[in-house]
Parts: sequence; structure tokens; C-alpha cells
Amino acid sequence: GAVVSQHPSWVICKSGTSVKIECRSLDFQATTMFWYRQFPKQSLMLMATSNEGSKATYEQGVEKDKFLINHASLTLSTLTVTSAHPEDSSFYICSALRGRAGYEQFFGPGTRLTVL
Amino acid sequence: GENVEQHPSTLSVQEGDSAVIKCTYSDSASNYFPWYKQELGKGPQLIIDIRSNVGEKKDQRIAVTLNKTAKHFSLHITETQPEDSAVYFCAASRAAGNKLTFGGGTRVLVKP
Repeated sequence: GAVVSQHPSWVICKSGTSVKIECRSLDFQATTMFWYRQFPKQSLMLMATSNEGSKATYEQGVEKDKFLINHASLTLSTLTVTSAHPEDSSFYICSALRGRAGYEQFFGPGTRLTVL
Repeated sequence: GENVEQHPSTLSVQEGDSAVIKCTYSDSASNYFPWYKQELGKGPQLIIDIRSNVGEKKDQRIAVTLNKTAKHFSLHITETQPEDSAVYFCAASRAAGNKLTFGGGTRVLVKP
């Protein structure tokens, strides 16, 4: 149990276009999901906390208008990188919290975004 | 906010030996400490976790110890195998549903 999927696993896009990444909890409900960004050989950097049915909470320094997050159901959160630029190229990873009072975060496999 | 320091940043061990990774945290209110294993190009995988009401937890070859007074916790891997080679991250959070603060990661290489 506790499987989280991400789609797509990798994407290449042109500068100026928007890219949507989906995060799904496959066998449990997740009222809270998190979005991280990871640069090569570095740790995970939390971008935002996504709560089902409400607005996401963004970490300091993360542009909410550039990284749009929607958590429309208990099993799906999406991250849209708007007007992507080469500096947005990174590994994006989501995680889902199991249960309303859960501690454990289960991570998706990540999405490699390359902006040309 | 919380700050988590992790050491060492790289660790090379001979197959069969033990590996120990240490983390310290700054927020005394943190009460949940998970460890994740991340293989190249994949997402982190939860391998073991501990809560503040427990001092030690073991799962086969993996164990975690917690010293709340000193605000540090450690991961112990015994009888290491080549498939243990990966990057390991420690993390801390204050309460259920709260965000995790990650350490910088330890790249472990198990030499056959």
C-alpha cells in the first residue's frame, strides 16, 4: 500500500510554454500533498503544501503565480509550471500524507523537467 | 524554523560492514523523524521512522536511535549490501500533517 504516482515521468518543453505535472495517491486518500524541487546532488526543497479543497501554501521565495497548484480531489494534486524558462529545469517530486492525522509522507517517483 | 544537519555527506563502506549516518535538529518541538532512501532518478522511499516517545527502533538490518535531549538521531545499517548504495536523507517535523525539513543527504557507497 501507500503508492504515489506522478505523470509524466519526464518532459521536455520549449521556453515560454506551460507544463502540468500530476501527482496521484493510488491506494489511499491524501488531504495533504507536498511539492518539492530537487537540483542535482542536492536535498529536497519544499515548494508548497497542497490541501484538498483549499489554496496551497507556498514556501518563502516560491512564486505562486509561476507554480500553480491545484488539489481538486483527495487523490490528485497538480503542479503547473507557467511560462517555463531554462532555470525551471529540475526534478519535481510530490509526496502525499496518508490520513488526516498521518505522519508518514509517501513520495512519488518524480518528474524530470527540461526547458529548452 | 527547523534546521537539520546531516553527516557525513559521503560514506564508503565495505560490503558486510556497518554504516552510520547522524543528524541533528534545532527545533525542540520536532517529534517525528523519518529516514528516506533515494536511488538515482527516483523519488525518496521511506525506510524507517521514529517518534519522540521512542528511543530506538529496529527493522531487520536498519535501526534508528533518537536522543531528544541532545537533539540528534542516527541511522544504522548493519551487514551492508551493494543494493544499500544510494542517497539517504533524514528529516524532522513537528506534528502530524506538518511539513518535513530535510537534511542535506548522505551518499552511501557499498563496495563489494
